[in-house]
Amino acid sequence: EAQVTQNPRYLITVTGKKLTVTCSQNMNHEYMSWYRQDPGLGLRQIYYSMNVEVTDKGDVPEGYKVSRKEKRNFPLILESPSPNQTSLYFCASGTTSPGVGEQFFGPGTRLTVL
Amino acid sequence: AQSVTQLGSHVSVSEGALVLLRCNYSSSVPPYLFWYVQYPNQGLQLLLKYTSAATLVKGINGFEAEFKKSETSFHLTKPSAHMSDAAEYFCAVSESDSWGKLQFGAGTQVVVTP
Repeated sequence: EAQVTQNPRYLITVTGKKLTVTCSQNMNHEYMSWYRQDPGLGLRQIYYSMNVEVTDKGDVPEGYKVSRKEKRNFPLILESPSPNQTSLYFCASGTTSPGVGEQFFGPGTRLTVL
Repeated sequence: AQSVTQLGSHVSVSEGALVLLRCNYSSSVPPYLFWYVQYPNQGLQLLLKYTSAATLVKGINGFEAEFKKSETSFHLTKPSAHMSDAAEYFCAVSESDSWGKLQFGAGTQVVVTP
């Protein structure tokens, strides 16, 4: 089954404790992206990747890191989480011709930082 | 830089009535435009997209949207609402010369009443 998987789905952590949210897709998509969703703000793009070893900042990259060492994986790293990073996070992948085509979204990761 | 404005954070429609969700964008270059739908506790799903082909775009579930360059709008319509259309709808834009960067509107919650 074609899908985007995220782990964990729910995470409660404390300020400053490094964490990684994994994202994996099995559709051989070049494009992957991370978003955070907050009430009243819609989705805001954190980072995106056009292909392996190619990443770029979205609108809200501060406090986050990403890497794209393999085509299928695009982990999101919070090196020192803070309470303002409490949010619902979505990973997405998509085709790239022409432009960004349909993006397939993962189920989301609900993160709470205390 | 591109931006998206969705008019109305909540819309209530009667079953069988017209659904109209408004989206205006700003972009310095030809845009790519999208409508996504999010059902409760799920990720987003693409309804339709405009990528500089026909200005009237038909999507899934009976939805369509019209790109109007002069009005910088991309409003979403469905002639007859169904109870299953209750969801949150997001308009999104990317620019054709940096299409990996995607910006979403704040979303419109649609309630369908019997």
